[in-house]
Parts: sequence; C-alpha cells; structure tokens
Amino acid sequence: DGGITQSPKYLFRKEGQNVTLSCEQNLNHDAMYWYRQDPGQGLRLIYYSQIVNDFQKGDIAEGYSVSREKKESFPLTVTSAQKNPTAFYLCASSLRLAGGSFFYNEQFFGPGTRLTVL
Amino acid sequence: KQEVTQIPAALSVPEGENLVLNCSFTDSAIYNLQWFRQDPGKGLTSLLLIQSSQREQTSGRLNASLDKSSGRSTLYIAASQPGDSATYLCAAISGSARQLTFGSGTQLTVLP
Repeated sequence: DGGITQSPKYLFRKEGQNVTLSCEQNLNHDAMYWYRQDPGQGLRLIYYSQIVNDFQKGDIAEGYSVSREKKESFPLTVTSAQKNPTAFYLCASSLRLAGGSFFYNEQFFGPGTRLTVL
Repeated sequence: KQEVTQIPAALSVPEGENLVLNCSFTDSAIYNLQWFRQDPGKGLTSLLLIQSSQREQTSGRLNASLDKSSGRSTLYIAASQPGDSATYLCAAISGSARQLTFGSGTQLTVLP
C-alpha cells in the first residue's frame, strides 16, 4: 500500500520541550513538505525539501527545524522557540516534474498530527 | 503575493442538490489549481488538479473549472450526498509564490 504515514496521531508537549513529528512516504516522491493548519484557516508552509540533504524555509519556519537524511523520511522538530505550537500538522509529498520543478505537481497528504501544548 | 479566498465559509444543502463551491485568487499567473477534501481531524485528499492550460477537469460527480482571466475556480458537485459532507479547500500555485497557497476552505454539510 503506497502512501504517507505520520506519527503520532496526537502529541502533547510541555512548555520548553522539543518534540519531533514523524513523516514517512513510500511513493518514491522526490519532494516533501510540512504544513501547519490552525482552526478555520488554510494551510501554511513551514519547510520543504526537494532532495535528500537539502531543505528550504517556508512562510512560517521560525521555531521549527527539519532534516532530510533519507528520501522517504522528513521529520519535523517543534522547538521551545515556537511560541504557539498548538495546531494540526500535515506532511505532503510530490514528484519532481521534468525540468526540475516540483511544486507544480500534485501534492499528496498524510493523515496529520495534532500537537497540543499543556 | 498570491491570496486565495473561499466564500462562503460554510454551506448547508439538502441531499440530491447540485452545488457550486467558489475559489478566487489574486495572481492570475497560476501554474495549477488543486481542490482538496478534508474530513474532520483528517488529512487532505486530492480531488482534482487543473493545469493552467486546462479549463476544467472531471472526476465522477465532481467538475472543477478554471478561469484565469477572472481569477476564479469553481467545484461543481452533482447530486450531493450526505457522504460529501466535509471541508473543501482550494490551493493555487503561481510563479510569484512558487508554492501552494491555500484558501481557508468551505465547510459543506449535506442534509439527509
């Protein structure tokens, strides 16, 4: 079964604690993304990665960090510097189109992780 | 900067009705526009992707259109069913943003 998995489904964080959200895909997609969704709002891009060992900041990268050591994995760490981390976090992936572009291709999403700060 | 707007935020219709969801965008130089469905507490399911060179795409009871000149896309749902109840999001990729810009969604309720 091909797809994107995210774990855990629910995560609770204490003040001042770093937490890591997992995202794995077996679609052989080149690009992976992390989005944040707040109630009643659309998704906002946190980080994206086009290729292993490379990643770029999105619109709201402050307080977050990522790594891309393997093609199929793109974990997101929510650091203590993120002042309002309570949100729904979604991971996505897409193929790279011929010519190198990838954003223009269809994105597929995982089931999400709901993070709550206690 | 690309901005995507979806109005209304919520819509209720009786079962069997045909309906249209609206999506507007500010930058007409888009590369594609994607419609998604999101069930409560779940991830996004891709419904339709319209490339900039296309006017519409169809999948089953769904038809999405794209009018770049007016900055609008519509998602038409035929013969709505209670199982269609969900939040529908549109997202556009434009040359200026080089990333998916999402609308805030329309929450659809189909009443039995």
